Amino acid sequence: GAVVSQHPSRVICKSGTSVKIECRSLDFQATTMFWYRQFPKQSLMLMATSNEGSKATYEQGVEKDKFLINHASLTLSTLTVTSAHPEDSSFYICSARAIQGNEKLFFGSGTQLSVL
Amino acid sequence: GESVGLHLPTLSVQEGDNSIINCAYSNSASDYFIWYKQESGKGPQFIIDIRSNMDKRQGQRVTVLLNKTVKHLSLQIAATQPGDSAVYFCAGMEYGNKLVFGAGTILRVKS
Repeated sequence: GAVVSQHPSRVICKSGTSVKIECRSLDFQATTMFWYRQFPKQSLMLMATSNEGSKATYEQGVEKDKFLINHASLTLSTLTVTSAHPEDSSFYICSARAIQGNEKLFFGSGTQLSVL
Repeated sequence: GESVGLHLPTLSVQEGDNSIINCAYSNSASDYFIWYKQESGKGPQFIIDIRSNMDKRQGQRVTVLLNKTVKHLSLQIAATQPGDSAVYFCAGMEYGNKLVFGAGTILRVKS
């Protein structure tokens, strides 16, 4: 099946710094990528949807200036957590969809962010 | 959108027994549903899917049942094995739209 690579798998940063997470589709072109956040023992919550070459669509309650999403190419989307705080510590997961309107999503392996 | 809950419930089963994991969804416009398995520290892993024009679909050791009348999904795992221990999520999607996850259930398999 299609592979989505997410990097880094784990990151620890100091409060106030910014962290960038990359999501790459390795063997297909992703017209749409989704970013999720998951707190311990909870479900995955959709943060935003990004389409290649256009601005991301954020879910209600997600600060677009804090969680910057860039989808500059058909194989790469990045999520930057700006001025991270301890409450931003979470497991971030991306997923990618290959063909517009196709339901099949492929998930990355996730990034555990810990903000000290 | 889909209902997303907190504080995952736990289902404990004996190895070899069958497991049934349930999920309720709220968006009647959802027409495609997926069950995922998530192990600790990893991303969701696809198990089985079903479209809204079906009420049952079978895979290898797994069966998904869909009851649109009461907006309910279930995942049945036959002959549960220790390797099945994980968190299981249902997710629903409107055509071509975003995928929204349900509450999730922790499955613990006792040997």
